[in-house]
Amino acid sequence: DAKTTQPPSMDCAEGRAANLPCNHSTISGNEYVYWYRQIHSQGPQYIIHGLKNNETNEMASLIITEDRKSSTLILPHATLRDTAVYYCIVRPNQAGTALIFGKGTTLSVSS
Amino acid sequence: DVKVTQSSRYLVKRTGEKVFLECVQDMDHENMFWYRQDPGLGLRLIYFSYDVKMKEKGDIPEGYSVSREKKERFSLILESASTNQTSMYLCASTLHRGDQPQHFGDGTRLSIL
Repeated sequence: DAKTTQPPSMDCAEGRAANLPCNHSTISGNEYVYWYRQIHSQGPQYIIHGLKNNETNEMASLIITEDRKSSTLILPHATLRDTAVYYCIVRPNQAGTALIFGKGTTLSVSS
Repeated sequence: DVKVTQSSRYLVKRTGEKVFLECVQDMDHENMFWYRQDPGLGLRLIYFSYDVKMKEKGDIPEGYSVSREKKERFSLILESASTNQTSMYLCASTLHRGDQPQHFGDGTRLSIL
């Protein structure tokens, strides 16, 4: 079973920041938080991951609370192409471990 | 950028056929995975390989086999295709490190008639 809880859907206006929350209250000390997204009929796309520090890359920022029980993915300037299902996953720091996707959040970006 | 290429986006086969799905990655990754994705069931691991000629069963290996003769290529084989194997098949690869993300191909949507 997925170890994360996400809202089923969110809306965002184009050009605004999209903030996607994720609850992972049972996360263990060696588990990373990963974010992927999947556009209809395509494979999942890796976005970002982190252990306890906040992370930023060219796609997004990841904010992890100090107790690590929740996190937020931030898309700073959402575009129509960011419309997708976003998955928050916790995964141990162990090579070869499968990814377990929950139901994710369907983000709809509109103009 | 990491590139994981799956040989076909869409494939239609008949019951009883032997089906080969191919996956190639260009980043010298040690680990490669085959998943299937079905509505309401999420992503399920079929097989995993951590080196050439090495493989481990995932959660649903029945009816499938795999082959890894070269580091960059991981093949999924449906020995005798059945209608319940109609699904989206996803290949992924990663370095053999626990802190690295898996990168996915675009998937093969396989229909067994």
